[in-house]
Amino acid sequence: QKEVEQDPGPLSVPEGAIVSLNCTYSNSAFQYFMWYRQYSRKGPELLMYTYSSGNKEDGRFTAQVDKSSKYISLFIRDSQPSDSATYLCAMSPDPGGYQKVTFGTGTKLQVIP
Amino acid sequence: DVKVTQSSRYLVKRTGEKVFLECVQDMDHENMFWYRQDPGLGLRLIYFSYDVKMKEKGDIPEGYSVSREKKERFSLILESASTNQTSMYLCASSLGSGSYEQYFGPGTRLTVT
Repeated sequence: QKEVEQDPGPLSVPEGAIVSLNCTYSNSAFQYFMWYRQYSRKGPELLMYTYSSGNKEDGRFTAQVDKSSKYISLFIRDSQPSDSATYLCAMSPDPGGYQKVTFGTGTKLQVIP
Repeated sequence: DVKVTQSSRYLVKRTGEKVFLECVQDMDHENMFWYRQDPGLGLRLIYFSYDVKMKEKGDIPEGYSVSREKKERFSLILESASTNQTSMYLCASSLGSGSYEQYFGPGTRLTVT
């Protein structure tokens, strides 16, 4: 079993829809939770991060962590065609020396105009 | 703005060739990483370095070596390229100890024939 599981999609939604992207994990040591966005033929870029459980909002994006269920989500409100990309979840234990980051396989999202 | 550059976007090599992939970052970051990205497998860590001349094996170091002679430059070496090393190679850097955010380069698509 992989440490981090993520549905690869593809997920296709109409413009303006609310998008929900999810990951599950098995390692209870993970404390930092991140979402990276990767456009086609580009490297991933950090979109959001949260520490431990709870919600974090940034514009149209909300990241949610439920450590009791080992489940994290990224919600995108009022989705736009420019949101079309692959979204990778990533997780890491508490900092202390080098932090190894474990990535999900990514979910490909397409927002149809 | 952090910039991570990789020497080539596309590379085609023959089986058995020695291959050099170079990565340069311009933000004085301590940590540098090499990943490969494959469909269904996500990002897998090959090697990382937390200081000049220091290196640590990641999850899949077999068939690869690295070199970090200067802080800003991290090279990945395929000693004898094989077809199963055909992949997208991504370089990343992060600020230092306890820094979870990684900045990625655009990637090198390597094909070994």
